[in-house]
Amino acid sequence: GESVGLHLPTLSVQEGDNSIINCAYSNSASDYFIWYKQESGKGPQFIIDIRSNMDKRQGQRVTVLLNKTVKHLSLQIAATQPGDSAVYFCAENEDDKIIFGKGTRLHILP
Amino acid sequence: DSGVTQTPKHLITATGQRVTLRCSPRSGDLSVYWYQQSLDQGLQFLIQYYNGEERAKGNILERFSAQQFPDLHSELNLSSLELGDSALYFCASSPHPETRGEKLFFGSGTQLSVL
Repeated sequence: GESVGLHLPTLSVQEGDNSIINCAYSNSASDYFIWYKQESGKGPQFIIDIRSNMDKRQGQRVTVLLNKTVKHLSLQIAATQPGDSAVYFCAENEDDKIIFGKGTRLHILP
Repeated sequence: DSGVTQTPKHLITATGQRVTLRCSPRSGDLSVYWYQQSLDQGLQFLIQYYNGEERAKGNILERFSAQQFPDLHSELNLSSLELGDSALYFCASSPHPETRGEKLFFGSGTQLSVL
């Protein structure tokens, strides 16, 4: 089975608020994690990544947090915009295979 | 535009048939990955090629096969198709997998419908 997964299938957030999408992984040997965004009708698009020697990494409006103790990964999106509406996947590098979780659909409320 | 090209965009066929999905990676990328995405499912890793050689294998059925050609384009062959094979098939590429952990660039996918 899959070693990564998402806690919630759908997340609804008010426009302008911050979004937090969570992910749990089971392989403690995984050392590289990635977040992807998939808009309707498109392929997944890289958002941000983090290696296991870090616990936080920031990009433009996005932050990824890694808690190796509890094997938890989160993606924070600041000031959520309508264009952030998509399915978000976490993924991990497991034995040189990039394994994806099932995804969380982010829905933006006006 | 990711630079990864997949053809065809849509494919409709019947059970028992065989189809070929094609992928051209980004210019300069040596690795090609194939994923299957079913309705409400995540992306299931199928297989990875690096510079023409199979590098990693995931949950790929024996009815499915793939190859990467000298010009680095790749084909995924699906045979004896079943209704359950209906899915979106994605190809992704990356420059090289030697560095553990590398972001993938995905194509727009081929939507396969088996009737």
